[in-house]
Amino acid sequence: LAKTTQPISMDSYEGQEVNITCSHNNIATNDYITWYQQFPSQGPRFIIQGYKTKVTNEVASLFIPADRKSSTLSLPRVSLSDTAVYYCLVGDIGAAGNKLTFGGGTRVLVKP
Amino acid sequence: NAGVTQTPKFQVLKTGQSMTLQCAQDMNHNSMYWYRQDPGMGLRLIYYSASEGTTDKGEVPNGYNVSRLNKREFSLRLESAAPSQTSVYFCASISTRDTQYFGPGTRLTVL
Repeated sequence: LAKTTQPISMDSYEGQEVNITCSHNNIATNDYITWYQQFPSQGPRFIIQGYKTKVTNEVASLFIPADRKSSTLSLPRVSLSDTAVYYCLVGDIGAAGNKLTFGGGTRVLVKP
Repeated sequence: NAGVTQTPKFQVLKTGQSMTLQCAQDMNHNSMYWYRQDPGMGLRLIYYSASEGTTDKGEVPNGYNVSRLNKREFSLRLESAAPSQTSVYFCASISTRDTQYFGPGTRLTVL
């Protein structure tokens, strides 16, 4: 499994863009990159998934450089409700017995 | 369509007592996982089941057993609870694209 490294915490202000970078130097050819969001007292929630280049949905964008050794989750114009822990996972979709495990995540605090 | 359900939501046990945490999903997924999350920490995988009838150990399996009763249900059993097992337990159901759908969690305290 590819090991991931994220910043422990980040502070931001309402209306700003938040970018969280995850390092995964030993990512394998078949690995995808998936980001989850977790609010206090809740289970994590899927945000976005990608393999290469850029992926965008209604919530976030995911930027993946050509070497795929890192990825950046971008949250546009954050609000107070975006305060949460964000996890980066890297693994092979569909692999038998695949175990995608969570690291410590990045705690994002959005201030007024 | 309830997604992933877990029971109970809260539980307090005394050291040495046993209990089973229940998890069910209605998304027809093959894979299901059990995690624990200690305060301020990330999730750690306890056991997983890649398909009905199969289970495998994750990162922290000691003190736990699991049963994949059928495709919908995956239970986690603590045979002799210890204070170190005080945690929040999450069950997840995994889609074919490895998207994990989580239940609301069970908050367990072992005294």
